[in-house]
Amino acid sequence: AQSVTQLGSHVSVSEGALVLLRCNYSSSVPPYLFWYVQYPNQGLQLLLKYTSAATLVKGINGFEAEFKKSETSFHLTKPSAHMSDAAEYFCAVSRGSSGTYKYIFGTGTRLKVLA
Amino acid sequence: GAGVSQSPSNKVTEKGKDVELRCDPISGHTALYWYRQSLGQGLEFLIYFQGNSAPDKSGLPSDRFSAERTGGSVSTLTIQRTQQEDSAVYLCASSAPQGFRSGEAFFGQGTRLTVV
Repeated sequence: AQSVTQLGSHVSVSEGALVLLRCNYSSSVPPYLFWYVQYPNQGLQLLLKYTSAATLVKGINGFEAEFKKSETSFHLTKPSAHMSDAAEYFCAVSRGSSGTYKYIFGTGTRLKVLA
Repeated sequence: GAGVSQSPSNKVTEKGKDVELRCDPISGHTALYWYRQSLGQGLEFLIYFQGNSAPDKSGLPSDRFSAERTGGSVSTLTIQRTQQEDSAVYLCASSAPQGFRSGEAFFGQGTRLTVV
């Protein structure tokens, strides 16, 4: 069975500081991994995805994530936080061994950006 | 349509009543997913459709929950005899045939269900 663990339900950073949101996964088959962002009262928006091509994935709004198989991690980073980055971020894994592709989501990390 | 559309956006219902939640996926998207988002619980998978069939309905929490999809398009999630613990945001997502395997799904704004 696949699973995702997001460390830290709440993360606060100062504006201009590095953003690091942690995600570890468990999967018996090579996974597809995703980061989604959810702004208040909105649906989820795809930030970036890893589907077995380049291990360093660049997404929208300056975010990127690196797939590290040895660490079973897919941490999300951004060099310099902006106030508009305040939102909830979800890591997800898909590509089940049975051939299904449903997403399994982590419990989310709420990012707060301090002025 | 331009995006995944869900209706209603908000629904307040009395305990014990039945509710229907609707999802209009992006035109041409063959895969459709339902998720439930409860406060502090993250997103919980409910069911997914490929076309009109549901290969995986393992996430439906009880037999009070059911879903169908007709014409490979619109889907309806029905909750019978609602309970207070059913209160949550119900999210629908869809993906294109090629996106299905690369996993790029597009989410609607959700239906916020409140059972009083």
